[in-house]
Amino acid sequence: GENVEQHPSTLSVQEGDSAVIKCTYSDSASNYFPWYKQELGKGPQLIIDIRSNVGEKKDQRIAVTLNKTAKHFSLHITETQPEDSAVYFCAPPGGSNYKLTFGKGTLLTVNP
Amino acid sequence: SQTIHQWPATLVQPVGSPLSLECTVEGTSNPNLYWYRQAAGRGLQLLFYSVGIGQISSEVPQNLSASRPQDRQFILSSKKLLLSDSGFYLCAWSVGLQGGYTFGSGTRLTVV
Repeated sequence: GENVEQHPSTLSVQEGDSAVIKCTYSDSASNYFPWYKQELGKGPQLIIDIRSNVGEKKDQRIAVTLNKTAKHFSLHITETQPEDSAVYFCAPPGGSNYKLTFGKGTLLTVNP
Repeated sequence: SQTIHQWPATLVQPVGSPLSLECTVEGTSNPNLYWYRQAAGRGLQLLFYSVGIGQISSEVPQNLSASRPQDRQFILSSKKLLLSDSGFYLCAWSVGLQGGYTFGSGTRLTVV
């Protein structure tokens, strides 16, 4: 099965700074790389994803980069705002057609 | 558009009582359906998933069971709750994995 590690487990930044969260995975069959954001008391929401034939994808202040050779992908948030404070999860599928494997999460705190 | 409904939002149940949590999906056919539990802290533990009516895959042996009586209905049950069943229960759906999961708003279960 897929082994997923996320780093760091907690991250505190000042408003306006950038934040980077890294996800490493073990199964080279993974071909889809999503990031989820979970606000307190709510279900996780997909915020950005990337397919294995693409190295980088941007959506306004967030971006995901993929290094398939090294088996890791990263979430980049620029110009952070207090509303970016949440837990972020990566969730590659490994070789499964049905299941995503979630990392343990990164608690991001943006201090005003 | 697709929507997912999960209820109740919060539930307090005594030890030994039964449990039934329901999840329904609208706007899509033959979705993959999932039940996750999130204990205190951040990890998402996959409990069950279903790729069709009557088809249930169990990920972790435990005090819970799942059923899918209709295409867009997924039910999580227990005959006798344990204290360790407390947590945040999340239902999710997907059609394939290349669009990720869509999560419900969750049920906060406290067993007392």
